[in-house]
Amino acid sequence: GAGVSQSPSNKVTEKGKDVELRCDPISGHTALYWYRQSLGQGLEFLIYFQGNSAPDKSGLPSDRFSAERTGGSVSTLTIQRTQQEDSAVYLCASSSPPGELFFGEGSRLTVL
Amino acid sequence: QKEVEQNSGPLSVPEGAIASLNCTYSDRGSQSFFWYRQYSGKSPELIMSIYSNGDKEDGRFTAQLNKASQYVSLLIRDSQPSDSATYLCAFVFTGGGNKLTFGTGTQLKVEL
Repeated sequence: GAGVSQSPSNKVTEKGKDVELRCDPISGHTALYWYRQSLGQGLEFLIYFQGNSAPDKSGLPSDRFSAERTGGSVSTLTIQRTQQEDSAVYLCASSSPPGELFFGEGSRLTVL
Repeated sequence: QKEVEQNSGPLSVPEGAIASLNCTYSDRGSQSFFWYRQYSGKSPELIMSIYSNGDKEDGRFTAQLNKASQYVSLLIRDSQPSDSATYLCAFVFTGGGNKLTFGTGTQLKVEL
């Protein structure tokens, strides 16, 4: 596609449920990033994939969070046993030159 | 010590004036610096990248980098109401792979 595509755009779930967020990066971009942004806050780094290298998972807030990237393209961020503090906009971005990120529209997660 | 610092603002400037946004960082070895703009309710978008000391101009935008003093700034000439947004500086830490770390952003308001 022309840009980074994320789905779902909005997700409302109950506390304790698992959710999956999907990201389809720009074709040819080798790097893929996940960030989250709570209301009125800055961007919080979650995880970074670069080619076939081991992902940088240093930003994942707990072991309830995991992510994978299949075939060097599509990525899925999974949050298990969601908590209310997980409510945020989850942003995916891809890049080719390092640092020059193209962001998707984000997935807004609301945990009731 | 925070890795990157920005004044949260809001910074208010009259239409037509020069807006000056600043960012300081802690990692002397960082080589890559970026400015992103984020409109309310939208995802960040890349405005400028700068890798060398000095100025880099692109239209009404000028990025300035001073590695010795560890700061990067963004000047917006002839500010327009459409420039009202949050401006995020970001950089790649030495030894951090290509993970991009964002500041918390400065809110700019351009007033008529």
